[in-house]
Amino acid sequence: AQSVTQLDSHVSVSEGTPVLLRCNYSSSYSPSLFWYVQHPNKGLQLLLKYTSAATLVKGINGFEAEFKKSETSFHLTKPSAHMSDAAEYFCVVTPRVLTGGGNKLTFGTGTQLKVEL
Amino acid sequence: KAGVTQTPRYLIKTRGQQVTLSCSPISGHRSVSWYQQTPGQGLQFLFEYFSETQRNKGNFPGRFSGRQFSNSRSEMNVSTLELGDSALYLCASSGDRANTEAFFGQGTRLTVV
Repeated sequence: AQSVTQLDSHVSVSEGTPVLLRCNYSSSYSPSLFWYVQHPNKGLQLLLKYTSAATLVKGINGFEAEFKKSETSFHLTKPSAHMSDAAEYFCVVTPRVLTGGGNKLTFGTGTQLKVEL
Repeated sequence: KAGVTQTPRYLIKTRGQQVTLSCSPISGHRSVSWYQQTPGQGLQFLFEYFSETQRNKGNFPGRFSGRQFSNSRSEMNVSTLELGDSALYLCASSGDRANTEAFFGQGTRLTVV
């Protein structure tokens, strides 16, 4: 079984300040982890993914995340927020190897990021 | 290359009716997954199709079904619609390798009245 807990449903930051979106996971199997972003009336876009290589993963638009097995965490960070970062962010877990193959993503409940001037 | 295309974008149906949603994956992708997004339950996995066969299934009632055609296009059907089926239905396509990223369409917004 697998699950994801996003610790904050809403995060508000000022433009130019750091962003931290927290995610803890639980997985019976070695996990792959992703962060997706969803802008209003848009589909989901992949920000970054961890699949077993480097534990510090760099993504698009200046975002990065660090996989910490001991803490079962995969927090998303960005050094300096921009207005265009305002959106909903989802932490996602999936088994690295799924019995029978394939894809079955388990989503967290999302974190709404607000960026203020 | 073209992204994932879902049609229609918006639908309004009456309780008891059935509905069919369509998804065209990225060219060359054979895996198509469907997800339901609601404010109360968040994003939940419905099922995945690969090479015209259902490969994985979530915990949804049998009213939710799908199929995939030889060109990898997929359809999702919901029969006997209930008010609670109102949601954004998202389709994702993936390449053949495990853990490859899923590319999402913009979704179909279904409203059941």
